[in-house]
Amino acid sequence: GEQVEQRPPHLSVREGDSAVITCTYTDPNSYYFFWYKQEPGASLQLLMKVFSSTEINEGQGFTVLLNKKDKRLSLNLTAAHPGDSAAYFCAVTGNYKYVFGAGTRLKVIA
Amino acid sequence: GALVYQYPRRTICKSGTSMRMECQAVGFQATSVAWYRQSPQKTFELIALSTVNSAIKYEQNFTQEKFPISHPNLSFSSMTVLNAYLEDRGLYLCGARRAGGAGNTLYFGEGSRLIVV
Repeated sequence: GEQVEQRPPHLSVREGDSAVITCTYTDPNSYYFFWYKQEPGASLQLLMKVFSSTEINEGQGFTVLLNKKDKRLSLNLTAAHPGDSAAYFCAVTGNYKYVFGAGTRLKVIA
Repeated sequence: GALVYQYPRRTICKSGTSMRMECQAVGFQATSVAWYRQSPQKTFELIALSTVNSAIKYEQNFTQEKFPISHPNLSFSSMTVLNAYLEDRGLYLCGARRAGGAGNTLYFGEGSRLIVV
């Protein structure tokens, strides 16, 4: 079945710096990809969903890149601020089952 | 928009007792509901996928005997954690897939947090 590896598990950056989180997956038939943010004690907040036909997606303060050839998905937070401190999870699906990455705990230092 | 409500948000239960959690889709019909568990400091594991009018499919390491699920209609699902012990604590999420929805998008609820003492 699908396996998703997410790196790094922990990330600490200074305010204003960028932060990059990457997920690699194994199933070439996966075609829907998601990034979620989880603040402490809270549930999942959908940041962006990406379909396999789109390689670059821009959100508010972040960019998601999908490289289908390398089976890699990345989340790039530009100019991180303390409010971005949270856990981030990627999720990959090709059918009914979401497979989540292990998560990245991001800390943005003011 | 699609909303999913989960209840209760948080439960403290004694070891060996059971806890039932509910998932309500509001504003859409949920053809399938996926139940996930996030154990402390871990990621989200799929427990089971429930599709109306189909058998509930449990993932490895999760059984109907331990996590019975009811999915009686297109807006409601419930799951019970029977004989909860320390290893069952965590955040339980339900994700509902909308009938006719695109992109396999699951709409997640706020989660039911289980604390076992």
